[in-house]
Order: sequence, then structure tokens, then C-alpha cells
Amino acid sequence: QSVLTQPPSVSAAPGQKVTISCSGSFSNIGSKYVSWYQQLPGTAPRLLIYGNNKRPSGIPDRFSGSKSGTSATLDITGLQTGDEADYYCGAWDSSLNGGVFGGGTKVTVL
Amino acid sequence: EVQLLESGGGLVQPGGSLRLSCAASGFSFRSDAFTWVRQAPGKGLEWVASIDESGSNTYNADSVKGRFTISRDNSRDTLFLQMHSLRVEDTALYYCVKGGLGRPQGVDPWGQGTLVTVSS
Repeated sequence: QSVLTQPPSVSAAPGQKVTISCSGSFSNIGSKYVSWYQQLPGTAPRLLIYGNNKRPSGIPDRFSGSKSGTSATLDITGLQTGDEADYYCGAWDSSLNGGVFGGGTKVTVL
Repeated sequence: EVQLLESGGGLVQPGGSLRLSCAASGFSFRSDAFTWVRQAPGKGLEWVASIDESGSNTYNADSVKGRFTISRDNSRDTLFLQMHSLRVEDTALYYCVKGGLGRPQGVDPWGQGTLVTVSS
């Protein structure tokens, strides 16, 4: 299983909000930067959030990230059908001295 | 435009070797760390290895330690992943990504990936 724990799936109706959690430990989320990635079906992942809560240029402000203690959260508001994708959190782990990803969360728009 | 183009994937028998390459363009290659991430069919992302700007420091996942080596040629703007003693469980799409998960900027952009299939 993954070092970072995410729910396998979340869903909501168009226009609603979904929250994806990413749980870790002090050696990763608790002391390192968290980033989030979106992978649309059949495509390579792309960066959504970096530095815990920053959006790259071109990423809508409907996507937001936060971190508290050993957990991080990705919120998607105003859900759209085009947001159906897999979402992954990532961080460095100082104990493993390597990178770690969450297992991924599939977002379904009902 | 920042571009990363992977190559070198293919079908190989268990125990075999492959060398993946990633040609970078559109930015100053020598100024960035790089990472290889893989994704087995139908599975999630797995961090494989990272290398710093100079190539002096490398980091590998336990699952590939002693078998895979990440390296770079800053004169050719190219990243490599040398893979030996390949196993069936190494079958995956291998992505070349700019940056490192330990960096504030995360890893981005991602190449399109090169498929490695280990099978007899």
C-alpha cells in the first residue's frame, strides 16, 4: 500500500464541491512540501498544486490545496464534467529518502 | 515551450536490460533536478528515482535499488534511466518529469511516457 493514504473515490454533482484527503506522517507531509496532480483519462499527469497551496499559471482557482499537520487536502469547487480524473498527492519522505505518492483518488461527476 | 521526450522503451525478457532516455528542450536543462515516475497498467503513480542539477546526488526507490541507475548529460540536455535485471513487475509506463517531489515547485511538466514491458 502507499505511504500516503487517499480515498479511492469521491463523487458529487456538477457545481458541487469535493474534498480529497491525503494522510501521511511527520517524515513526509508533516515536514515537507505537498503537491497534487491531475491525470485525465489516457493522458500524462499534470501539476495542480505545488508548495502545499500554490497554483501554477493556468490552473483555475476552483482548485485549492491546504495542509495541516500530517494531512493535506485538495478541494475542487464548482465541479465540472471535465474534472473527472484521477488525482494524486505527492511529497518527499525524509525517512525513506525518496519520493512518495498517494494511491490516487478517482473523481466522478454524477 | 518546455518539452520532455522519452524514448527507449520496449519489450524485454525478465532479467534483461533497457536504457531509457529523456530529451529536454525549451528551458535550461542544467538548472533543474529531474525525476522518473512509473505507472503500471491500471495502477497509480510510483516514484522511481531522482537526480539533482549536477548529477552528484541521486535517489532511488527501494524497489529498484541496485538495478536501476539515473543519470544525466548536461551537455546533451538528456536524462537517462539504465535498467538491469528487469522483472515482470517493472512493466509500466515510465515518465520523465522536471523537478523533484522534495522541491517546493513539485514535479512538472511530465513527458508522454515510454512503455516498458517485461515478459517472456
